[in-house]
Amino acid sequence: DVQLVESGGGLVKPGESLRLSCAASGFIFKKAWMSWVRQAPGKGLEWVGRLKSTSDGGTTDYAAPVKDRFTISRDDSKNTLYLQINSLKTEDTAVYYCTTIRWFGSFDNWGQGTLVTVSS
Amino acid sequence: DIVMTQSPDSLAVSLGERATINCKSSQNLLYGSDNDNFLSWYQQKPGQPPKLLISWASTRESGVPERFSGSGSGTDFTLTITSLQAEDVAVYYCQQYSSTPPAITFGQGTRLEIK
Repeated sequence: DVQLVESGGGLVKPGESLRLSCAASGFIFKKAWMSWVRQAPGKGLEWVGRLKSTSDGGTTDYAAPVKDRFTISRDDSKNTLYLQINSLKTEDTAVYYCTTIRWFGSFDNWGQGTLVTVSS
Repeated sequence: DIVMTQSPDSLAVSLGERATINCKSSQNLLYGSDNDNFLSWYQQKPGQPPKLLISWASTRESGVPERFSGSGSGTDFTLTITSLQAEDVAVYYCQQYSSTPPAITFGQGTRLEIK
């Protein structure tokens, strides 16, 4: 079975940085396109960004509101996806989900999410 | 950016009845010449991550009950749940993908409850 397990969330202060991790298993990670989606408390879903497989170029795409502060990367040797968030803002408070994403944009597998709370 | 607007925001339907959720895109989501659309539907139950129900506007995912169906093309799409079951209580989201430049947006969600 596909498993995606996020970690690294917690309470951080505005302006600080944080790195989230997503441990993947149950599929060939190095061939998968991966993505992050976030959900503020009681709100809807917001796409954060996408990382293609290395064999497909390994390129990233980001949502406009986060592209200057967020970086998605992967370590195929560890079957792990990362999300680096810099200069955290209160509006970054959300559950961050790690997902697999098909080439046509459907998110077909989701982790349980990790909560990031940004507050002074 | 493409804006996705769902209607209604919330919906209460009796058990066994039909539920219909609409999703309108601010731009055409048609891809290629085979009437395929970059439109997906998700179900999110309380305390759980979303679950992909339908992709390509009308292709049901493996394991999704047949009472769930998607339709529409271009800018107007519908998710229909025939014969509503108690376990269908959830928030439903539509989502579009645009390839140039790559961008993804979700509708605001529709909360479905039992009447």
